[in-house]
Amino acid sequence: QVQLQESGPGLVKPSETLSLTCAVSGYSISSGYYWGWIRQPPGKGLEWIGSIYHSGSTYYNPSLKSRVTISVDTSKNQFSLKLSSVTAADTAVYYCARQDPIILNWFDPWGQGTLVTVSS
Amino acid sequence: QSALTQPPSASGSPGQSVTISCTGTSSDVGGYNYVSWYQQHPGKAPKLMIYEVSKRPSGVPDRFSGSKSGNTASLTVSGLQAEDEADYYCSSYAGSVVFGGGTKLTVL
Repeated sequence: QVQLQESGPGLVKPSETLSLTCAVSGYSISSGYYWGWIRQPPGKGLEWIGSIYHSGSTYYNPSLKSRVTISVDTSKNQFSLKLSSVTAADTAVYYCARQDPIILNWFDPWGQGTLVTVSS
Repeated sequence: QSALTQPPSASGSPGQSVTISCTGTSSDVGGYNYVSWYQQHPGKAPKLMIYEVSKRPSGVPDRFSGSKSGNTASLTVSGLQAEDEADYYCSSYAGSVVFGGGTKLTVL
């Protein structure tokens, strides 16, 4: 079955760039589907960050668009998130997930999530 | 894009039914049949429970059902069980993706 695993630094300094990778197993990214990033600040709700289609087309949350870049590496079967100029408000558990193959719709399955703390 | 509106909490006794609402606008919930519901237990990743308003993924008990009327979607959990205690989030297509603020379901 499809499995996703996030990886990256757990601590990022303010003003720097947060970088995470999502490794996909059990399915080839190049075969289809949207692939998304979602975050959840401690004790708070879910926030969609953005998604990438298997072809490389990207879609971002308007509130984060100026700071977000999502890319895909089909040779490694993974996709990545970069969030620039981070502040303490970007501290959250970051999840990657497979998304509907047709439209920006449901997410399933999800990775286990990785906590990223922004602090000096 | 504004977050969808969910009640912060809901509760019910074992065996009872509980319904959680998710209110949006004609630009999201009311405009598309692309509403999803997720269950999240503490410290765990969200799990898809309902998609496209009322469809259940394989493996999700039929105690979970979804519906929509106008700009409000609803998740109903029938025959409440202790393991249903969790946070529940709705989401909708809106040209992008928008989530609700979440509802903590307590099984009394």
